[in-house]
Formats: sequence, structure tokens, C-alpha cells
Amino acid sequence: KAGVTQTPRYLIKTRGQQVTLSCSPISGHRSVSWYQQTPGQGLQFLFEYFSETQRNKGNFPGRFSGRQFSNSRSEMNVSTLELGDSALYLCASSFEVQGRNQGEQFFGPGTRLTVL
Amino acid sequence: GENVEQHPSTLSVQEGDSAVIKCTYSDSASNYFPWYKQELGKGPQLIIDIRSNVGEKKDQRIAVTLNKTAKHFSLHITETQPEDSAVYFCAAGGSWGKLQFGAGTQVVVTP
Repeated sequence: KAGVTQTPRYLIKTRGQQVTLSCSPISGHRSVSWYQQTPGQGLQFLFEYFSETQRNKGNFPGRFSGRQFSNSRSEMNVSTLELGDSALYLCASSFEVQGRNQGEQFFGPGTRLTVL
Repeated sequence: GENVEQHPSTLSVQEGDSAVIKCTYSDSASNYFPWYKQELGKGPQLIIDIRSNVGEKKDQRIAVTLNKTAKHFSLHITETQPEDSAVYFCAAGGSWGKLQFGAGTQVVVTP
């Protein structure tokens, strides 16, 4: 079974621009979570989507948004990029049984975003 | 909200020795405690997990223990090998798709 895939793997943007990152979960997984990883703050939860609905949200500004499609693929968008948004953005997918997340999250390789 | 503390931040061990990483969590509602290994340039890889109804779980050279009363959980790696060198993260969460991660432990296994 193929793992979680994320595209692109690397991205360089300048301040003020916006960016869209894509995540394809493991086949059969309907829950997708996004995390930001930086050396200073570690792994921080951004948001989680299930069945095209945002179920959970972390403490990030409104510039960070996401969505999920009917095939469970997810995208996250960051608008008005700041230098501090440079990070590894990780997507993880989970399996649900009767709408209940089973806990195990499987991560993709991440998208390395550099903001200049 | 949940807060997870992880110690130590770095751990150097000789090949063949054991490594222990400890975590504490704050939210008594957390019931799922995974451990991840992250190698350079890769995403975190789930290596073992434990749920709140279990006190200990073992998978070959890796074991995890959970003390729910004290809100402590630990990762034990026995007979360490150079390929165990990586950053290890503990996390706490529940059936709601959000994990709170510890700060990570850089493990270095020297031959």
C-alpha cells in the first residue's frame, strides 16, 4: 500500500506571496492532519480534516487554511508569507472506524518551505 | 490543552547498550501515546504506540511503558545499533486526530 505523499517536496517563496501544499493520504484513510515542524517550536498541530470538514484547529493565524476533497486528498494554504513560516510542513493520515479516529497517524515526507 | 515534556534532549549511547527516553503529559483525557523516529530528510515514522488501557508493550528491541496515574510514559531501546541513531518524538492524543508532540530526543549510537 502506498504511503502518504506530499507535493511539492521543496518550495522557495518570497515574503508576501502565498503557497499551496498538497497531501494524498494512504488509500482508505479519511482523516488528514497537518503539522508544522521548525527547529525552535518542534512539531505543532495545524488542523485536521475528516470527510471534507475541519474537525480540529491548532493555534495558528488565519493565514493558514486548508481543505479536503471528496477523495480525502487535502491541501493547505498559507497566504501573505512571513519569514517565520519557513518550516517543514508535514501531513499525516489516519484510519477511522465509524467516525472514530484510531489514533495511528502516518506521516508523509513533508514539504520544505523556505521564505526569503 | 495538552502539554508534553520529553527528556533528555540528547542521548549518546554505545552500541549494544540500552537507551531510555521519558515523557510526561498533562491532559488526563489523552489515551493514545505513540513514539516516532525521524531520520534526516524524512517524515516521522511510527515505531510503537500504547493506549491507556495497557501498561506495557514490546516489539522486538523496543518497548514502551505507561503510568497513567503519574502521567508518564517511556521508550526503551535495548541492544542499540548505529541505525537507531535518529530523533525520537513522543506524543499524546486521543481519538480526535490531534497529537501533541514532545520536543524530541537526538539519539546517537556510537559503534
